[in-house]
Amino acid sequence: DQQVKQNSPSLSVQEGRISILNCDYTNSMFDYFLWYKKYPAEGPTFLISISSIKDKNEDGRFTVFLNKSAKHLSLHIVPSQPGDSAVYFCAASVNAGGTSYGKLTFGQGTILTVHP
Amino acid sequence: DGGITQSPKYLFRKEGQNVTLSCEQNLNHDAMYWYRQDPGQGLRLIYYSQIVNDFQKGDIAEGYSVSREKKESFPLTVTSAQKNPTAFYLCASSMGRDYQPQHFGDGTRLSIL
Repeated sequence: DQQVKQNSPSLSVQEGRISILNCDYTNSMFDYFLWYKKYPAEGPTFLISISSIKDKNEDGRFTVFLNKSAKHLSLHIVPSQPGDSAVYFCAASVNAGGTSYGKLTFGQGTILTVHP
Repeated sequence: DGGITQSPKYLFRKEGQNVTLSCEQNLNHDAMYWYRQDPGQGLRLIYYSQIVNDFQKGDIAEGYSVSREKKESFPLTVTSAQKNPTAFYLCASSMGRDYQPQHFGDGTRLSIL
């Protein structure tokens, strides 16, 4: 049972345009969502997060949107740069109640390629 | 510089041997985690530890063991009982409080010959 899904294995975008990466989840108890960026043979790097009390969070070129009713979140990168080419993972956790210890459930990842 | 150090980067072992992967952090984080990544898949949680001398099984703990004798260290042993141990192993840590991100090391790639 995959609770976090990234249905697009790959995305190709031109430099300077917007990249939109999508993620769907099924567990309504998830209340904290994160995006990580990963290069081959390296560990994931934390990009941005959002808690379920918000519907949008921005950090520079990165914006995460959360639609709780649709159980959907997206990461927007504007403008996209060739250095953004990597695998992007969304992740989610249940925090309310204080027993989850921050355990993350990850999606399968989306390979983003930004062409010069 | 604070961070998470995993060693070695690449590890080769014969079938039937136990092997221990090292993870050290100097971020003063309370919680530590081990994940496994297989090609085309997301990360799956093996074990996690909230405090010293305490740890819990994750989603795929069978064939693995851990210890947490020091706050800074969370070694993972891949035992001979793990049926498909070849994978990329990632260690992470966090402050352990709610709504905090995890930060990852650069991983160890384990190959069984």
